[in-house]
Amino acid sequence: QQQVKQSPQSLIVQKGGISIINCAYENTAFDYFPWYQQFPGKGPALLIAIRPDVSEKKEGRFTISFNKSAKQFSLHIMDSQPGDSATYFCAASRGGATNKLIFGTGTLLAVQP
Amino acid sequence: NAGVTQTPKFRILKIGQSMTLQCAQDMNHNYMYWYRQDPGMGLKLIYYSVGAGITDKGEVPNGYNVSRSTTEYFPLRLELAAPSQTSVYFCASSSPGLSTEAFFGQGTRLTVV
Repeated sequence: QQQVKQSPQSLIVQKGGISIINCAYENTAFDYFPWYQQFPGKGPALLIAIRPDVSEKKEGRFTISFNKSAKQFSLHIMDSQPGDSATYFCAASRGGATNKLIFGTGTLLAVQP
Repeated sequence: NAGVTQTPKFRILKIGQSMTLQCAQDMNHNYMYWYRQDPGMGLKLIYYSVGAGITDKGEVPNGYNVSRSTTEYFPLRLELAAPSQTSVYFCASSSPGLSTEAFFGQGTRLTVV
């Protein structure tokens, strides 16, 4: 059962454009929603995260938008750069006892110069 | 600070062989995890541990075993390797509490032939 659904599978954006990746979750007990960035040959690294008590979080060019009623959240990358080319994973967890992360299937982003 | 260290980085196994993937963290994290990453599938949780001597199954535990005798080490054992275990394996660690970051190792690419 895929508890976190991610789309699109791949995305091509021109330099300076906006990249948007969407995720939807099923379990209303989830209370932590991170995005991870992974470069080829490396492990995932935390990019930005949000908790459901806020609707938006911004860190530099990266913004998470969160819609609790729709059980959806998205990553927006403003002014996309070739160095942003990577695979992005959304995830969700229930905080506290184990912090186990449930991952989406990933989005391969290519930013063309 | 080394973070999470995985060895080996690459390994080719023959069907039926066994091996242990090593994972060590130097951040004194209580929580440790093993994930496998397959193309288009995201990361799936194999096993996790909330402290020394405590382990539990994740989403895809069949064919694997773990142990956690100390806080620092969390090895993953593959018994009777099968082609379906061809994957990239990631070890991760985190602290207890809400909204805590999971730190990933660089991964072990395993091919079973």
